[in-house]
Amino acid sequence: AQKITQTQPGMFVQEKEAVTLDCTYDTSDQSYGLFWYKQPSSGEMIFLIYQGSYDEQNATEGRYSLNFQKARKSANLVISASQLGDSAMYFCAMREGTGSARQLTFGSGTQLTVLP
Amino acid sequence: GAGVSQSPRYKVAKRGQDVALRCDPISGHVSLFWYQQALGQGPEFLTYFQNEAQLDKSGLPSDRFFAERPEGSVSTLKIQRTQQEDSAVYLCASSLAVSSEQYFGPGTRLTVT
Repeated sequence: AQKITQTQPGMFVQEKEAVTLDCTYDTSDQSYGLFWYKQPSSGEMIFLIYQGSYDEQNATEGRYSLNFQKARKSANLVISASQLGDSAMYFCAMREGTGSARQLTFGSGTQLTVLP
Repeated sequence: GAGVSQSPRYKVAKRGQDVALRCDPISGHVSLFWYQQALGQGPEFLTYFQNEAQLDKSGLPSDRFFAERPEGSVSTLKIQRTQQEDSAVYLCASSLAVSSEQYFGPGTRLTVT
């Protein structure tokens, strides 16, 4: 089973509008973290926002917020007031448990295009 | 401040050649990760170092892949006898501690012809 599922290969949004990128996850661990990264065409992965499994409040960072619904195992990214520079690939990722490696498991990504 | 840097940014290798990819993590970052990203996919974990110790290499796809971090700073990912399926972007990430957020470098795009 996929650990991270992003069901939207591509999304379009009008400049200045809000957009939601979907992410569902699968884990049996009680302690885990969820991340969103942005990857522009230049290739670098840019960290956007983090949500811990025990955090009661949804994470927010500027125009980014994470809609965390633990019972549904979803961690959707909301971008408000979209800008042309937001056009990029967006990846949802999870870090599980308390193992020593703590590597990230990524979804397949959503290509966001902001239209002028 | 300086982020994670990787070199070379692009590498073209003929099938069967050996390649070495370098990662310079953020100064002071204890943890270092290598990921492989195939075209159109998300990155996949290869290996993890804590300081100079390689604590997890479960993601390395074959024994042709080898990574080291001898002094706990710079890391090198080596691929021997490259194959076409090795073509991908190789990303390096570092973090201050094992549970901190990971900062990624720009990646090395490897093309095997």
